[in-house]
Amino acid sequence: EAEVAQSPRYKITEKSQAVAFWCDPISGHATLYWYRQILGQGPELLVQFQDESVVDDSQLPKDRFSAERLKGVDSTLKIQPAELGDSAMYLCASSLLVSGANVLTFGAGSRLTVL
Amino acid sequence: GIQVEQSPPDLILQEGANSTLRCNFSDSVNNLQWFHQNPWGQLINLFYIPSGTKQNGRLSATTVATERYSLLYISSSQTTDSGVYFCAVLFGNEKLTFGTGTRLTIIP
Repeated sequence: EAEVAQSPRYKITEKSQAVAFWCDPISGHATLYWYRQILGQGPELLVQFQDESVVDDSQLPKDRFSAERLKGVDSTLKIQPAELGDSAMYLCASSLLVSGANVLTFGAGSRLTVL
Repeated sequence: GIQVEQSPPDLILQEGANSTLRCNFSDSVNNLQWFHQNPWGQLINLFYIPSGTKQNGRLSATTVATERYSLLYISSSQTTDSGVYFCAVLFGNEKLTFGTGTRLTIIP
């Protein structure tokens, strides 16, 4: 079964350091999402790509977060500098259109701890 | 934006019991998905169910779009069913919005 690949699975870093997460969506999925999930809460959308274009980044803290999907396939989410409040699970998803609606499939996630 | 509420927030059951999880949403939706988040944090897609009823093994789901709710049924619970169950909805061109989840614990 096709999967969304993410790496690293776990990352521990000190505040003010830079950190990057990588995501490879399911082949053929044009839409890619990055979500952040704080412990005890539901995931919240950070950024959504359609091919290489950003569709929604309204909740992305652009002073420290950046995301790119240069060739419309894999994507990188970067945080610089990391802050204590960035500790969370970062989830990547890709989607396929089913009857006109995007049905999301998630990767295993990247758990970030900022010390 | 659209509001999504799930109940109950926590549920503890004995293995073999049945359970019903509820998702209420504040507006008409054209996309509703149920996910299971396992103890390792991965979200597993259970159902895409904007309306109607679907079944997959011991799990089934029903969405009554006109009354703005969806139900997830788990029969003959197993310890591997433990985790957090999320519903997520999408209205129009807005982003997929997740509920607060139901934490299910199945005791052997």
